[in-house]
Amino acid sequence: GENVEQHPSTLSVQEGDSAVIKCTYSDSASNYFPWYKQELGKRPQLIIDIRSNVGEKKDQRIAVTLNKTAKHFSLHITETQPEDSAVYFCAASSGGGADGLTFGKGTHLIIQP
Amino acid sequence: DTAVSQTPKYLVTQMGNDKSIKCEQNLGHDTMYWYKQDSKKFLKIMFSYNNKELIINETVPNRFSPKSPDKAHLNLHINSLELGDSAVYFCASSQSGTGNGYTFGSGTRLTVV
Repeated sequence: GENVEQHPSTLSVQEGDSAVIKCTYSDSASNYFPWYKQELGKRPQLIIDIRSNVGEKKDQRIAVTLNKTAKHFSLHITETQPEDSAVYFCAASSGGGADGLTFGKGTHLIIQP
Repeated sequence: DTAVSQTPKYLVTQMGNDKSIKCEQNLGHDTMYWYKQDSKKFLKIMFSYNNKELIINETVPNRFSPKSPDKAHLNLHINSLELGDSAVYFCASSQSGTGNGYTFGSGTRLTVV
């Protein structure tokens, strides 16, 4: 089955700086890679996703890149703000069926004022 | 107008009891899931149902029994609760074939004492 590794487990950055979270996956059949943000006591919420036919996708301060050959994908947050503090999860799925998502173990992002 | 709703939000019960968690989605999705989030925040899929048919049954004790009366509902029944079952259980739904739209419910925090 799919295995998703996520690094780092904790990331502390100064407000206004950029944050990068990296994930690798093992199953070459995976073709859908979402990122979720989870605030304390809340549900995971989708913030951005990318499919295997695209190398990069951007939405305002958030971008995701995908390297299919290396089976790597990364989340980039620019101009970080205090409200970006949360746990971020990457995930992978074969996407087309009812396979569900395989999650990384999460990154606790701390934005220092 | 909640898209994926779970009840109850909190559940405190004694070891050995049997309990149920209910989930309903109004997104018209054909696939529903149960995920478990443990104390270390790791999110792991337990079950998935597509059009009321069980698709994924990960290595979960058979004390856990999902039931899907229709494609908008997926309930989780747990027999003989153990301390290690304490976790947050998230229901989610998606539309198969599109590879997107995974939406999570607000979670049920189960505490077994």
